[in-house]
Order: sequence, then C-alpha cells, then structure tokens
Amino acid sequence: DVKVTQSSRYLVKRTGEKVFLECVQDMDHENMFWYRQDPGLGLRLIYFSYDVKMKEKGDIPEGYSVSREKKERFSLILESASTNQTSMYLCASSLAGQETQYFGPGTRLLVL
Amino acid sequence: KNEVEQSPQNLTAQEGEFITINCSYSVGISALHWLQQHPGGGIVSLFMLSSGKKKHGRLIATINIQEKHSSLHITASHPRDSAVYICAVGGYGDKLIFGTGTRLQVFP
Repeated sequence: DVKVTQSSRYLVKRTGEKVFLECVQDMDHENMFWYRQDPGLGLRLIYFSYDVKMKEKGDIPEGYSVSREKKERFSLILESASTNQTSMYLCASSLAGQETQYFGPGTRLLVL
Repeated sequence: KNEVEQSPQNLTAQEGEFITINCSYSVGISALHWLQQHPGGGIVSLFMLSSGKKKHGRLIATINIQEKHSSLHITASHPRDSAVYICAVGGYGDKLIFGTGTRLQVFP
C-alpha cells in the first residue's frame, strides 16, 4: 500500500513565522503535490513537483515555496505566515503518467 | 464558472436511502475521478472512469462523455458513508481539477 505521511496533523503558528510542512511518500512516486483546502473552494493546487529539484507553480503559489531535494520528500514553506494561510494542507503523490493520486492525512494549520 | 461543478453541496439522508451525487464539467478530460474524504481529512480514490459505469460494493459511478456529466450512486446508504465526496477530472499532464465536494450525512 502507498503511504503518504505529513509531519504534523495540527499546527499553530504566529503571523510572520516561517513554517515548514513536510510530506514523505514511500512508493517511489515521481509526482508530488501540495494543495490547500478551504470550505466552499475545494482543493487548490499550490505547487507540483515531477522530479527531484523540479517544481511547477500551481493555481495559488503566492506566499509559498517548495523544496524537493530527495524523491520521497516534498516540503512546503510559508516564508512569513499570514492569517489568510490558515487552512488544511494536503500532500499527494502519484506515478508519472498516472492520474490517481495518493493523499496524506492533511495538516490543519492555524495562523494567529 | 468552475470547470468542475458538483451538486448538491450538502446532502442528508436516512440510513438505507439511495443517494446520487452529480458532477458536471466543462473541459476536455482523459478521465474522471471520484474521491472520498472522511472527517479528519484523509482522501481516498474511489473510482477512475473514462466511459460507462463502474461498481464497487454499494458504490456505482457512471459517466456520460457526450453530456460531460458523471454521477456517483450509493445504494442502501449507511452512517459510515458520511463523508465529503469529491469529483475531479484529469487530462492536464498528471494534474487534476477538483470540484468543491458534496458533504453527505447519513443518519441512523
């Protein structure tokens, strides 16, 4: 079974703090994704990585950056957290050329 | 207008009822996906289909490519079916476009 894990289930941070969200998958997937999920808006893609050190902006990249130094790990960075980044963050992975994505359990981030 | 629209947004049902959730899309697709998200967050893939109908247990998914429409049916619904059901379409590299989800609550 594919397993996608995220570093925290719940996180509380202060405005202006730097926040790291980590995602690890154990199935050698090429693709990894970071989404945020807000009520009424569904899943929105923040960043996509199709290989180590490769990244592509999604629909809402502003205020975020990512890092993929190893194939199994994809990190989302909030350089200076703001209250409008309070959300549920979901990581997913998939094989190259495959549409089915496997999701992590999510991190609920609250920025005060 | 969203490229993927689901209806209804919220749905309540009594245990045993037959449930239908609809998904319409306005873009070309390679396949349509139905996903389930239980309270707590985790999302699992239920179906991927590009034509016709698929069945898994009490869940049935259908798609009409000409009408750009898909339905997810749940027969003999149960409280454990309570979840958010999400429709997504593919055909954009390996990326998906998601609907906003349908929140289903099934009461005993």
